[in-house]
Amino acid sequence: AQKITQTQPGMFVQEKEAVTLDCTYDTSDQSYGLFWYKQPSSGEMIFLIYQGSYDEQNATEGRYSLNFQKARKSANLVISASQLGDSAMYFCAMRADYKLSFGAGTTVTVRA
Amino acid sequence: DVKVTQSSRYLVKRTGEKVFLECVQDMDHENMFWYRQDPGLGLRLIYFSYDVKMKEKGDIPEGYSVSREKKERFSLILESASTNQTSMYLCASSFGGQGSTQAFFGQGTRLTVV
Repeated sequence: AQKITQTQPGMFVQEKEAVTLDCTYDTSDQSYGLFWYKQPSSGEMIFLIYQGSYDEQNATEGRYSLNFQKARKSANLVISASQLGDSAMYFCAMRADYKLSFGAGTTVTVRA
Repeated sequence: DVKVTQSSRYLVKRTGEKVFLECVQDMDHENMFWYRQDPGLGLRLIYFSYDVKMKEKGDIPEGYSVSREKKERFSLILESASTNQTSMYLCASSFGGQGSTQAFFGQGTRLTVV
């Protein structure tokens, strides 16, 4: 069975600072993919970044980077230089064997 | 432009009614998913499909069924709606196989069962 755990219900971050969102996962599959999505108050789901289980380097996309620690089954999202527009809900997700599962999400509020 | 379209943004149904939520994608995706989103619980997978006429139970399938007669359409059915099925329902689709195939989401259907 797949499980995604996000332990931080909500976080506050100062504008221009970095923030790390925690995500741990559990799966018995050897091949899987990890995703992060952003959901602003408008409700749309926005894909941010992807990490494959066999990728040796951590994924980066602009201000987003994924800190992938396979042995610890951890896939934390780092947002650098936070902006007011980063205020949103963030979801960690894992795909294995066709199934795509999500965590409970973390609400990020960026303060000016 | 990729598109996943859910038939309704808002629905109000009565307890015991049979409810159909429709989702259509125009990207020729193999995989389609139905989730419900509730505060504090994130997105919970109800059912998914990796091919036409194929369906798999997700984590919370009880009280729901699905139909996928055509590749582009994935329907969620509430056999007998109950108040605890009041929620936001999200449909998503993606290409099959491994790799960085992100899922694309519909705009969501806010269902209220009274």
